[in-house]
Amino acid sequence: NAGVTQTPKFQVLKTGQSMTLQCAQDMNHEYMSWYRQDPGMGLRLIHYSVGAGITDQGEVPNGYNVSRSTTEDFPLRLLSAAPSQTSVYFCASKTGGRSGANVLTFGAGSRLTVL
Amino acid sequence: AQTVTQSQPEMSVQEAETVTLSCTYDTSESDYYLFWYKQPPSRQMILVIRQEAYKQQNATENRFSVNFQKAAKSFSLKISDSQLGDAAMYFCAYRIHIYQGGSEKLVFGKGTKLTVNP
Repeated sequence: NAGVTQTPKFQVLKTGQSMTLQCAQDMNHEYMSWYRQDPGMGLRLIHYSVGAGITDQGEVPNGYNVSRSTTEDFPLRLLSAAPSQTSVYFCASKTGGRSGANVLTFGAGSRLTVL
Repeated sequence: AQTVTQSQPEMSVQEAETVTLSCTYDTSESDYYLFWYKQPPSRQMILVIRQEAYKQQNATENRFSVNFQKAAKSFSLKISDSQLGDAAMYFCAYRIHIYQGGSEKLVFGKGTKLTVNP
């Protein structure tokens, strides 16, 4: 049971390049999400998904695309990277439902630098 | 707007002493959850403790406890017998549900950096 796995852990891009941050979980969690963490800030929600084929926008979705073709995977795509997207990205997942026992499991984070 | 405020950017404590980290939040909902997360230098987000808003009893997890004041919208974290391994960023977070079916998001504060002095 690996939990939530994010790849790559580090990435440097040039402005305008595209890339995909991968996220996979092996816990059969329905809910998956992407957050970004900027210096001096807490985490902010980018996109989330409540199940395969269902995605929705969070607080800061501009510049990012997501898809959920399987329960296990939830990739985050940057179509044209900008310096403002320099950040640490976290993927997190949990089982569905409102119970307080259903808490997010976070990946280890991916540090992205856009030059 | 849903907000979480941590008024202490940095705190320090002596090893074996007790420290309290402050958190206030703003919500109009009656059903919600509050969390404290720890982020050590490894940057892994680790759940420290959770509190259901409908429960009056304060949550406790070993050396970690909360003081939940619902009317004041306050949710402070107390760390007893501080250890060197407690040094980290601590984030207070508030969970809101967007609509039925499990959609939700966590709203985070900006964090408090805790230093533990030997």
